[in-house]
Amino acid sequence: DQQVKQNSPSLSVQEGRISILNCDYTNSMFDYFLWYKKYPAEGPTFLISISSIKDKNEDGRFTVFLNKSAKHLSLHIVPSQPGDSAVYFCAASAEPGGNKLVFGAGTILRVKS
Amino acid sequence: EPEVTQTPSHQVTQMGQEVILRCVPISNHLYFYWYRQILGQKVEFLVSFYNNEISEKSEIFDDQFSVERPDGSNFTLKIRSTKLEDSAMYFCASSERTANSPLHFGNGTRLTVT
Repeated sequence: DQQVKQNSPSLSVQEGRISILNCDYTNSMFDYFLWYKKYPAEGPTFLISISSIKDKNEDGRFTVFLNKSAKHLSLHIVPSQPGDSAVYFCAASAEPGGNKLVFGAGTILRVKS
Repeated sequence: EPEVTQTPSHQVTQMGQEVILRCVPISNHLYFYWYRQILGQKVEFLVSFYNNEISEKSEIFDDQFSVERPDGSNFTLKIRSTKLEDSAMYFCASSERTANSPLHFGNGTRLTVT
């Protein structure tokens, strides 16, 4: 199932700099997109979401951008902190189907101090 | 902050045995889910549950699987006769609404079938 793709398995960023995580999708019916962070031995933690009627949503250091024509979304973390080091998952859902999320494979983010 | 809790954190069972994975969703949430992640693979949807019945299930969720909300707080996933390929992390989640509402996940149960 390749409906949601995160093509970068890993990303390394210096503390204080911007982290940009990318996600592409193929299903044009997706209308709700989310980013989750996951530490080892824990479940995914919700970070931020965006509805397809918007192209940007911001929450503190986290901003999600949605480009529907390109079927692409990205998560920006500014400034990056060592505690942000984790696996980041992109997920999407489509109505009808409510919250049946389709996940990407994840990107490992390492923030170096 | 309210959280989803799952027990046990790790379950080891023999092939063919029944297992029950337990979850306590966030108290004011009405929608409940099970997802799983086989080692090295993506997190994948199993089933959603609302108003004491299954809303949607994936192809993975065959007759060996069942879910139940036995009381006002617990939500369980039962696997009747476990197979080796059922070994995975099983995540319970809950949400306030069915659409455009983030899922909040528990820390998972690692199921190992030997």
